[in-house]
Amino acid sequence: QVQLVDSGGGVVQPGGSLRLSCAASEFSFTTCGMHWVRQAPGRGLEWVTVIWADGRHKFYADSVRGRFTISRDDSKNTLFLQMSSLRDDDTAMYYCVKERAPFDGFDIWGRGTKVTVSS
Amino acid sequence: QSALTQPPSASGSPGQSVTISCTGTSSDVGGYNYVSWYQQHPGKAPKLMIYEVNKRPSGVPDRFSGSKSDNTASLTVSGLQAEDEADYYCSSYAGNNNWVFGTGTTVTIL
Repeated sequence: QVQLVDSGGGVVQPGGSLRLSCAASEFSFTTCGMHWVRQAPGRGLEWVTVIWADGRHKFYADSVRGRFTISRDDSKNTLFLQMSSLRDDDTAMYYCVKERAPFDGFDIWGRGTKVTVSS
Repeated sequence: QSALTQPPSASGSPGQSVTISCTGTSSDVGGYNYVSWYQQHPGKAPKLMIYEVNKRPSGVPDRFSGSKSDNTASLTVSGLQAEDEADYYCSSYAGNNNWVFGTGTTVTIL
């Protein structure tokens, strides 16, 4: 079954760090661009970051650039999101997402992992 | 990058149709044919319903259709059913490896 299982969320204090993981199965992970999308409580979806299949090209939303780092381990079919200098407005459900094709829509979504930034 | 504009809500009776608009700019919706639509039920992850403006993934009913004119994309749900009650989001590629989502529309079945 094609799926993404995201994990690593939790409660962290402002200024703290957290690392999210996403395990992919039953599709060719190594050939796919992968994204993180987040959704604050009661709010809409916000695109966060993308990593190309080559693992070298990475791009970020203005709101997280310089604080978040996306990476991938193709040997383990796993996507990561290292988050640092966390702020209250980073509180959200974070979804690991597979793109259908370069620049195209997002066809496979993880169930999400919840991140709460609070003192 | 500003969010794409959607109406907050839309509604229709079972069997009727509802159309949701998604307005952007020439830098996103109007500039690329990479507009997609997502359905999200409460507490669930979004589900891809339409990609590349008007294409349906396997398994999505043909009651769902998409279109685009200039800077505005639209999603039409025909023959409304109870299970179509959900939040719907549009999304567009916005150039320079950026993507933008719409503000979201809650569809209610009357």
